[in-house]
Amino acid sequence: GQQLNQSPQSMFIQEGEDVSMNCTSSSIFNTWLWYKQDPGEGPVLLIALYKAGELTSNGRLTAQFGITRKDSFLNISASIPSDVGIYFCAGFYSTNKLIFGTGTLLAVQP
Amino acid sequence: GAVVSQHPSRVICKSGTSVKIECRSLDFQATTMFWYRQFPKKSLMLMATSNEGSKATYEQGVEKDKFLINHASLTLSTLTVTSAHPEDSSFYICSARDRGSGHTQYFGPGTRLTVL
Repeated sequence: GQQLNQSPQSMFIQEGEDVSMNCTSSSIFNTWLWYKQDPGEGPVLLIALYKAGELTSNGRLTAQFGITRKDSFLNISASIPSDVGIYFCAGFYSTNKLIFGTGTLLAVQP
Repeated sequence: GAVVSQHPSRVICKSGTSVKIECRSLDFQATTMFWYRQFPKKSLMLMATSNEGSKATYEQGVEKDKFLINHASLTLSTLTVTSAHPEDSSFYICSARDRGSGHTQYFGPGTRLTVL
């Protein structure tokens, strides 16, 4: 079935550092979404991307929809302790189903 | 913003019993809701798509008789785990698509099921 691969699997950084993570697929996706999940909670939408090449920001977060439509990246600038969590990319491979990536665990040391 | 609730947030049950989990869209109508399952430190895996007024569509490998889904109204979908066993212990998360805003999906806070 469809699969989205995220890297890195985990990151341990110092407060104030910038972070970059990416997501790749063997198939073309029409929409890329980035979510953050805190422990014991459901995922919360951070950024949605709808067009190839699109670059979108949400505060300290920036994400881009790859030109090939098979990849996307998420950058977090000047990380803070509350950025800790698991970040998932997700994409629609048909009009109805959202498929999640493998996740990137982010730990931020104050 | 749109809110999706789940009830209960946590449930512990004995092996062999059935457990019902509710998913509600609180301030919007959702013709489609989705049920996901998440194991510790793993990603969300889509179990089934729940359509209001019709039968749910299950993903490959998900037993429809084991995981009963009912979408009786535009704001409520239920997942019943029948004859639960310890291997059914997991974090179950629902999401709802706002019929008024295209593909936007809002996620519930999840339900932690522990089967003893």
